[in-house]
Amino acid sequence: DAKTTQPPSMDCAEGRAANLPCNHSTISGNEYVYWYRQIHSQGPQYIIHGLKNNETNEMASLIITEDRKSSTLILPHATLRDTAVYYCIVRVHNAGNMLTFGGGTRLMVKP
Amino acid sequence: GAVVSQHPSWVICKSGTSVKIECRSLDFQATTMFWYRQFPKQSLMLMATSNEGSKATYEQGVEKDKFLINHASLTLSTLTVTSAHPEDSSFYICSAAPGQRSPQAFFGQGTRLTVV
Repeated sequence: DAKTTQPPSMDCAEGRAANLPCNHSTISGNEYVYWYRQIHSQGPQYIIHGLKNNETNEMASLIITEDRKSSTLILPHATLRDTAVYYCIVRVHNAGNMLTFGGGTRLMVKP
Repeated sequence: GAVVSQHPSWVICKSGTSVKIECRSLDFQATTMFWYRQFPKQSLMLMATSNEGSKATYEQGVEKDKFLINHASLTLSTLTVTSAHPEDSSFYICSAAPGQRSPQAFFGQGTRLTVV
């Protein structure tokens, strides 16, 4: 799986959009970008994934650059409950669901 | 969505004793489950891949005789920490998916092990 680089921490005001960047400059053509998050003392939770097109679901939006070397996860209206560590993972779609976690970004949503 | 349940959520044990952690897929079958370990302020590290009906596959540096994995059914994998020591204190997390082509993995809530 390609390596990803994320800022170690970010702050966001409650109600504002949280934009979490991820660099994956060595991504291969058959690798997807996945985002998971881990709230303190819980197991990780899937958020969203994409290949090359932008994606949106009820939790977030994923913007992937045209060259696919970076992406941004957007939480449109962050709440205090969105405080968590967010992991950007690049992997082949059907790689048996084994995930390699990097350091992630610790997002702190503040009132 | 699919649910993966771990039990217990937390456990405290004495040095030298063994602890068993269960991971169940509640509404799907999983031929493969994964066990991760997470130390404080660190990321998740894959320990082993649990395969139903066959031996587990361990990552480099993980002692298979210390971390016994049994995947006896399509909905249950167990991790037994044998002869636990304080350095085994950690957050243990399992994951599973309804098939290798599933777009997402589902994680248990984790088990906090403290060895005293």
